[in-house]
Amino acid sequence: AQSVTQLDSQVPVFEEAPVELRCNYSSSVSVYLFWYVQYPNQGLQLLLKYLSGSTLVKGINGFEAEFNKSQTSFHLRKPSVHISDTAEYFCAVSDGNTGFQKLVFGTGTRLLVSP
Amino acid sequence: DAGITQSPRHKVTETGTPVTLRCHQTENHRYMYWYRQDPGHGLRLIHYSYGVKDTDKGEVSDGYSVSRSKTEDFLLTLESATSSQTSVYFCAISNRDIQGYTFGSGTRLTVV
Repeated sequence: AQSVTQLDSQVPVFEEAPVELRCNYSSSVSVYLFWYVQYPNQGLQLLLKYLSGSTLVKGINGFEAEFNKSQTSFHLRKPSVHISDTAEYFCAVSDGNTGFQKLVFGTGTRLLVSP
Repeated sequence: DAGITQSPRHKVTETGTPVTLRCHQTENHRYMYWYRQDPGHGLRLIHYSYGVKDTDKGEVSDGYSVSRSKTEDFLLTLESATSSQTSVYFCAISNRDIQGYTFGSGTRLTVV
């Protein structure tokens, strides 16, 4: 079964600084990868996804992620964060061989942006 | 999201009572899911449905049952609530094209 590891439970960063949130998944021949964001007291919102093709994926709000098959990683990056990016971020993986989505989520990384 | 609603948004119930949470969608998506979110565990799949009357268990299904009698509704029932089921419950929907889930706003359930 697929699994996802988000090594950092919390990442503090100053406004306008760059940030990287790390995500590693268990190896599989074919995977689909997702990043979701959860603002306080809300549901999860899709940030970006990797299905196939270019390994650099751009999402909403200036976020991007790079799929690295050899490292089994899908790290999320933003070159300059804003206070409004404070939220919890979840990485998720779906086995591309199952025929339909059943996402497995990581434990989440809380991004804390301070002035 | 406008296409998926969960009810109730908050509920407090007593140990041993049955509880039903409702997920309603207007997107006509085939797949529906129930997850629970707990600190340190992220989201864990309880049950999912791949069509009317077609459901299957997820990784944390003990103590929960589901029903889907119509495409638009997916009900999650805690047969006899326990304190360990205090959590935030999220419903999600998807179609076959692997585009990611759409999540509801969640139900915060407290079992006292």
